[in-house]
Amino acid sequence: DVKVTQSSRYLVKRTGEKVFLECVQDMDHENMFWYRQDPGLGLRLIYFSYDVKMKEKGDIPEGYSVSREKKERFSLILESASTNQTSMYLCATNPPGQFQPQHFGDGTRLSIL
Amino acid sequence: RKEVEQDPGPFNVPEGATVAFNCTYSNSASQSFFWYRQDCRKEPKLLMSVYSSGNEDGRFTAQLNRASQYISLLIRDSKLSDSATYLCVVNRRYGGATNKLIFGTGTLLAVQP
Repeated sequence: DVKVTQSSRYLVKRTGEKVFLECVQDMDHENMFWYRQDPGLGLRLIYFSYDVKMKEKGDIPEGYSVSREKKERFSLILESASTNQTSMYLCATNPPGQFQPQHFGDGTRLSIL
Repeated sequence: RKEVEQDPGPFNVPEGATVAFNCTYSNSASQSFFWYRQDCRKEPKLLMSVYSSGNEDGRFTAQLNRASQYISLLIRDSKLSDSATYLCVVNRRYGGATNKLIFGTGTLLAVQP
């Protein structure tokens, strides 16, 4: 089974703080993704990476950055947290090959006060 | 218009009932299709892939109609444990080297005793 581990289940931070969300996968997958999920909006792709040191913007990258220094780890960074970044953040990975399903970590529920 | 559309529900059904969910997608370049299940405050988990020929997994049957750009999920003999949100997911090419999952906002199923 694919194991995707996110560093925190719940996190509370203050406006203006720099926030790091970590994701680690144990399956040596090239592709990793960060989403946020909000009621009525579904999952929206923030950033993804298809290799070490590679990153691509998703649909809503503003206010976020990412880091992929090692294949197994993909970090999402909120440069200066704002209240509208309060959300559920989900990391996912999928194996190489086209059009494979993604497997998710159990999510980080982030609250920005 | 959203790229993947689902009826949000809720679908309230008694135990033992048969229930069907539908989903439409707008991008004809979509290549693969999935149903995910998401329990309250948990991560999405892959329920099943969807193939043009239709496929079945126990009480669950998925169908794809490429001509109509329509996907369905049928659950027979509903159990209390089937209560969850069901996400319709479409996978298509995104840029040159990778693919992207497009998520519907989900259909909520509540199975009543």
